Amino acid sequence: AQKVTQAQTEISVVEKEDVTLDCVYETRDTTYYLFWYKQPPSGELVFLIRRNSFDEQNEISGRYSWNFQKSTSSFNFTITASQVVDSAVYFCAPKGVTDYKLSFGAGTTVTVRA
Amino acid sequence: NAGVMQNPRHLVRRRGQEARLRCSPMKGHSHVYWYRQLPEEGLKFMVYLQKENIIDESGMPKERFSAEFPKEGPSILRIQQVVRGDSAAYFCASSPSLVAGDNEQFFGPGTRLTVL
Repeated sequence: AQKVTQAQTEISVVEKEDVTLDCVYETRDTTYYLFWYKQPPSGELVFLIRRNSFDEQNEISGRYSWNFQKSTSSFNFTITASQVVDSAVYFCAPKGVTDYKLSFGAGTTVTVRA
Repeated sequence: NAGVMQNPRHLVRRRGQEARLRCSPMKGHSHVYWYRQLPEEGLKFMVYLQKENIIDESGMPKERFSAEFPKEGPSILRIQQVVRGDSAAYFCASSPSLVAGDNEQFFGPGTRLTVL
């Protein structure tokens, strides 16, 4: 089983500011996967990114980027130049390679003001 | 390719009634997962099913809750004799296989259950 801590409960920014969401996880698995999901006010869950524990290369995809630090068990997610449509609850979720269930954090509510 | 479908989207029940939540996985997906999201909380795993088999129901409450995924038709999450504490959003997810373990789970829009 995995344990996830998303210490930030709420973040409020003005449009065009960058937003970084923190995620710290605990796992006994040597190989695992890390996911970020977004839940907008409409309620559905939207997959954002997936990262493998054996690949620490950080990447950028459009306005999204992530910083995976295996040594500190952190998997932070950044939204660059935020937009009002980015307002949502963001969940970090690790999963062991032999697991089939996602372990969700409590989520961070992001509010982007125009 | 249609996504994961759940119905109803909203369900209102009175205490003591039964609630039946349905989930149709994405085409080609044979693995179904149910999660529950209580108000102001993250999602918690309930049960994992494959066709005609319950693989892991460790997250299911011991009483009143059951799930199935028949050979034909949608997966059903059934809650008998609902209580107010059952009010939550219930999400279904599906995945194609467990190969490599990194399969992404595709989520449905959820069913919001309100118990009066």
